Amino acid sequence: DTGVSQDPRHKITKRGQNVTFRCDPISEHNRLYWYRQTLGQGPEFLTYFQNEAQLEKSRLLSDRFSAERPKGSFSTLEIQRTEQGDSAMYLCASSQIWTEDSESYEQYFGPGTRLTVT
Amino acid sequence: QKEVEQNSGPLSVPEGAIASLNCTYSDRGSQSFFWYRQYSGKSPELIMFIYSNGDKEDGRFTAQLNKASQYVSLLIRDSQPSDSATYLCAVKARYSTLTFGKGTMLLVSP
Repeated sequence: DTGVSQDPRHKITKRGQNVTFRCDPISEHNRLYWYRQTLGQGPEFLTYFQNEAQLEKSRLLSDRFSAERPKGSFSTLEIQRTEQGDSAMYLCASSQIWTEDSESYEQYFGPGTRLTVT
Repeated sequence: QKEVEQNSGPLSVPEGAIASLNCTYSDRGSQSFFWYRQYSGKSPELIMFIYSNGDKEDGRFTAQLNKASQYVSLLIRDSQPSDSATYLCAVKARYSTLTFGKGTMLLVSP
């Protein structure tokens, strides 16, 4: 079990540029989540996948944000036309859930990608 | 709107003392409750989860859940300076995603 990994760990970009982040979940986990966290706040949910299906998107996820998990393994999160307000830590987490009646909902986070938009 | 409330702190305790961290939540349908520890500049690390009313102990950590009062707490016994971090409470209802509080900063002084 190598844990959740994210790449890159840090990204500095200029306003208006596009950025893409990658997340590799724990290998046997079927669910993958994206969160955003700013200073002094808890993580805010953005979207999640079960296998390759994107099941929910937060209203925080504007049209400039898109996420994919094409083969049910790694996922990418792209931000187009970045704005200074996009500066945050982008966190990926994964879990293994069989059904909503399952009691095992633990999510494990990766190290995060810190985005700075200048 | 689902809310999870935590005192932002900082909560200061001396080394060896018991630290008590509290969390309240608004959604009565919440079923699963989690405590994450987050060191400055790092990502959250899951330290405890609890699904049933009562206490759950794991080493120096005890999670307490009272669904009637919509209250969950984390006790850290024999606090160590290395426990100094922000503790995030997270709550999940069925067919819903995790909702996090803003976290409580804990400072353990030697």
